[in-house]
Amino acid sequence: ILNVEQSPQSLHVQEGDSTNFTCSFPSSNFYALHWYRWETAKSPEALFVMTLNGDEKKKGRISATLNTKEGYSYLYIKGSQPEDSATYLCASLYSNYQLIWGAGTKLIIKP
Amino acid sequence: DSGVTQTPKHLITATGQRVTLRCSPRSGDLSVYWYQQSLDQGLQFLIQYYNGEERAKGNILERFSAQQFPDLHSELNLSSLELGDSALYFCASSVGQGTTDTQYFGPGTRLTVL
Repeated sequence: ILNVEQSPQSLHVQEGDSTNFTCSFPSSNFYALHWYRWETAKSPEALFVMTLNGDEKKKGRISATLNTKEGYSYLYIKGSQPEDSATYLCASLYSNYQLIWGAGTKLIIKP
Repeated sequence: DSGVTQTPKHLITATGQRVTLRCSPRSGDLSVYWYQQSLDQGLQFLIQYYNGEERAKGNILERFSAQQFPDLHSELNLSSLELGDSALYFCASSVGQGTTDTQYFGPGTRLTVL
């Protein structure tokens, strides 16, 4: 059974600080890695899709890297702001089109 | 607003009953995905349709079925409902077959089984 793990489960960060968290996934038959941001009482919103080993994507203060050989991705947030508070989900897509989601990292920004 | 619509927003029903959840994808999107989010659990992928055909299947129970119609809207049918089926059901859509496509999520249908 394919399993995608995210760590930590939750994270409290002081406003202005930078932070990062991890998504680990089975690398065999890997196709793509998605990152989504999910605010409370809203629907998940896409951040990045990455496919290539060494890929790095950036959107404002948020960036992500991908290592397909060892099966992990990091999401970085620079200079955290209160509006960054959300659950960050990763999902790994395999060649059989199975999209496996992690349980998420809940980020809380303290003012 | 993602452009994906789901109805109804809330649904309360009894064990043993059958319900149908409806999803309309964004204009131009050919793929529809169904997800279940139970209490304290992450998103569980159920099933994907692309242009009317089943594309990928996840952890979908045999009591559940789905289809995508010619106008590309999709329905998820849940039958012989159990208490454990209470969850938030999301629909998402994407332009293509779902490899590197961004998925756009609807607002979800909250199902409560009493």
